[in-house]
Order: sequence, then C-alpha cells, then structure tokens
Amino acid sequence: QVQLQESGPGLAKPSQTLSLTCTVSGGSINSDDYCWTWIRQPAKGGLEWIGRICTSGSTIYNPSLESRVTISVDTSKNQFSLKVNSVTAADTALYYCAREGNFYGSGSYYNPLDNWGQGTLVTVSS
Amino acid sequence: DIQMTQSPSSLSASVGDRVTITCRASQIISTYFNWYQQKPGKAPNLLIYAAFNLRSGVPSRFSGGGSGTEFTLTISSLQPEDFATYYCQQSYDTPRTFGQGTKVEIK
Repeated sequence: QVQLQESGPGLAKPSQTLSLTCTVSGGSINSDDYCWTWIRQPAKGGLEWIGRICTSGSTIYNPSLESRVTISVDTSKNQFSLKVNSVTAADTALYYCAREGNFYGSGSYYNPLDNWGQGTLVTVSS
Repeated sequence: DIQMTQSPSSLSASVGDRVTITCRASQIISTYFNWYQQKPGKAPNLLIYAAFNLRSGVPSRFSGGGSGTEFTLTISSLQPEDFATYYCQQSYDTPRTFGQGTKVEIK
C-alpha cells in the first residue's frame, strides 16, 4: 500500500513562496502510469485541485493558480513538490498530496484519487 | 471548468436511515465520477470510483449510481461511523473539480 506524507513550513509570509514536499513510500513514484497531485482545503471547507505531475513528466495546473504554481518531481528521493509564489492570506489552507490511481472498468481507465497524505496546514501571515 | 453541484449541503439522519446524496455536473462526464468520505481531522478517502464501483474494503451499504450529469451516493442503513462529509469529484477533464460537500450529521 502506497503511503504519502507532506512536509514543509507551516507558515509563509505574504508575497513569499510556499514550498511543500510529498514523500512517497511503499512504491516507486516512477512506476506505472500514475499522476501525483496537490489539493488544498481552506478552513471554510471544500476541496480545490491545484495540479498534478505524471510519470511521463507532464504537468497540468488549475488555471486559477497556474501563474503562481510549480509542481516538480525528484525520482531519486521518491518525492514530488509544490511551490506557490506570491502567496496571500487566501492561500492559507490544509494542503494534501495524493495519487491519481488507475482503475480499469467498463472498457476504460478511471483515475480517482486513491491514496492521500494526512495533510499539512500552511498559514500565510506576517 | 466543469462545475459540480451537490445537494443537500447538509442533512441530519438517524442510525439505520437510508440516505441519498446527489451531485450534478455542469456538462456530460460519462461515468468519470468519484465519491469521497472525509471525517474530521482526516484526509478524504475514496469510496466509489467510475460512478458505481465500490473501492475494495468499502462496506456494501454504500452504493453509487448515475451517468452523464446526474449522480447519487446512497447509504442503505446509516451507521455511526458514516457520520462525515461526502464529496463528489469529476475525473473527466482537468482541472479536476469537487462538489462543495454534504455533511451528514446525527439526528
């Protein structure tokens, strides 16, 4: 069973860069055709998909954040990372990393988020 | 972006009740649709994928249905451990989007 664990500073100052890492254990981040994802949840609730990086190396970001976000992977450490530039209080949230799995059924492949980290709270404040 | 609209946003129910949550997509997404359960202080947990496929280990009292734009999650007999918030999500296109959540509370 793959396990994911977020790490990084819990506090970021306005206008600075938020940086988080997700360490994957129990399997190689480079195996099979998975995509590795970041999601965030503000205190008021709801889930916002930030973006993902796939084993092919391709990245896709939420257009609402695309100008400020970078997701990268370090296969030697079995980790993937998130950077959000120019943060404001609106970026305060619980940040989750997750894996998009591959499930086959009814003639197609489906990609739900089948493994999640426990989440890490990031507060943007001076 | 594909908008996902859940209803109701919250409900109160008793142990043993049958509960149904609905999610509507703003465009046709076939069965590229998933349900998650989130308990306080925990990450969301996948319950159902591809609209009606129960993830291994999920109790059979949970069931999913629908295709196209209308989807349902039914809990046939609510148990104490089912009190949580439930989210729907489309995996048809990027950006992936979620419903706003349905909080199931004890009556």
